[in-house]
Amino acid sequence: KNQVEQSPQSLIILEGKNCTLQCNYTVSPFSNLRWYKQDTGRGPVSLTIMTFSENTKSNGRYTATLDADTKQSSLHITASQLSDSASYICVVNLNAGNNRKLIWGLGTSLAVNP
Amino acid sequence: EAGVTQFPSHSVIEKGQTVTLRCDPISGHDNLYWYRRVMGKEIKFLLHFVKESKQDESGMPNNRFLAERTGGTYSTLKVQPAELEDSGVYFCASSQDSGTDTQYFGPGTRLTVL
Repeated sequence: KNQVEQSPQSLIILEGKNCTLQCNYTVSPFSNLRWYKQDTGRGPVSLTIMTFSENTKSNGRYTATLDADTKQSSLHITASQLSDSASYICVVNLNAGNNRKLIWGLGTSLAVNP
Repeated sequence: EAGVTQFPSHSVIEKGQTVTLRCDPISGHDNLYWYRRVMGKEIKFLLHFVKESKQDESGMPNNRFLAERTGGTYSTLKVQPAELEDSGVYFCASSQDSGTDTQYFGPGTRLTVL
């Protein structure tokens, strides 16, 4: 079954600290993996995208890693800011012929406190 | 440039009633997607339009749901008759290409069926 699992479910950190969010997936065949940030009351916004051959991708203070052999990804946030408080969702793109289907994780709810 | 917009932002209806959700994609985006997030569950794919044609509607839960995209611009998602389990947040997204192209999400419509 195509699934995406994320951990932890929720996380509270102090402003300025770093954190790492985890994602394990069983999606096959795999096309690419994205990390989305979803602020409360808004739609998800793409942070990074990685294909099978890429093992790291950065977007400012966000760095995503991908190990396609173990089917694991992580999102590292450096020097967190209050505005980083959001849900971070790992999404795997299922490569199914002409169709592309996104398989979503439940997300990690991050709260950055002053 | 305007992003993806959705209307209404919230809808509260009684079981058995009809509701129509609207999505206006980013201008020029041929691909339009509908997703749903039920409370406590992950976001799930409903269907994918390419222009006015349904490319993939495998995620539509049952025949009470009808999606249209006449003229290949905005799309509507009608639920008739609504059931309690239809409650959730309905997201619309659009993209230029359907491959690895980034999907841009609207803010969602929160539907509550009483």
